[in-house]
Amino acid sequence: KQEVTQIPAALSVPEGENLVLNCSFTDSAIYNLQWFRQDPGKGLTSLLLIQSSQREQTSGRLNASLDKSSGRSTLYIAASQPGDSATYLCAVIGVDSNYQLIWGAGTKLIIKP
Amino acid sequence: SQTIHQWPATLVQPVGSPLSLECTVEGTSNPNLYWYRQAAGRGLQLLFYSVGIGQISSEVPQNLSASRPQDRQFILSSKKLLLSDSGFYLCAWQSSGASEQYFGPGTRLTVT
Repeated sequence: KQEVTQIPAALSVPEGENLVLNCSFTDSAIYNLQWFRQDPGKGLTSLLLIQSSQREQTSGRLNASLDKSSGRSTLYIAASQPGDSATYLCAVIGVDSNYQLIWGAGTKLIIKP
Repeated sequence: SQTIHQWPATLVQPVGSPLSLECTVEGTSNPNLYWYRQAAGRGLQLLFYSVGIGQISSEVPQNLSASRPQDRQFILSSKKLLLSDSGFYLCAWQSSGASEQYFGPGTRLTVT
């Protein structure tokens, strides 16, 4: 059974720092991995989607990598800003999951001004 | 471009009352549609998904039900709400099974 883990559960860093959020999954047989952002009381915003055949995707200051064989993905945020404060969630669609997203519990990120 | 709507944005209902939450998607055809619930401080729980009109799959047993009367409309219902139904309800769509999922703004439900 696919399980997704995000470490750390919470992270607080000063503004301007580069940071990395981690996501690991137990079964490497996936179709894709998706990173989301959720602001308090709001819906989820899709940040990046990495297909299983891809190694990374970039959008602005965000870069997501995927190492399927080791079951890991990282979300790199460059030059962090207070507006980046949110909960970041990763989710995978496993080959055996009937196209359902399997979710991590999220990392709550606080960027201190 | 595609847009997903949910309403109402917030709802306070007494225990035992009925529920109807609506989700509509614009700008796409035959999307896969999903209902999730997020309890306070917890992760997302998939409640229902639909791959077409009238096709509903349930992930967890509960007193909730879902319907898809039109291609781009997904409704979450209950005949009698329980306190445990309180939470943040999110609707999502995707164009095909393994593509990107997009979420609506959510409905905050408080059962009193």
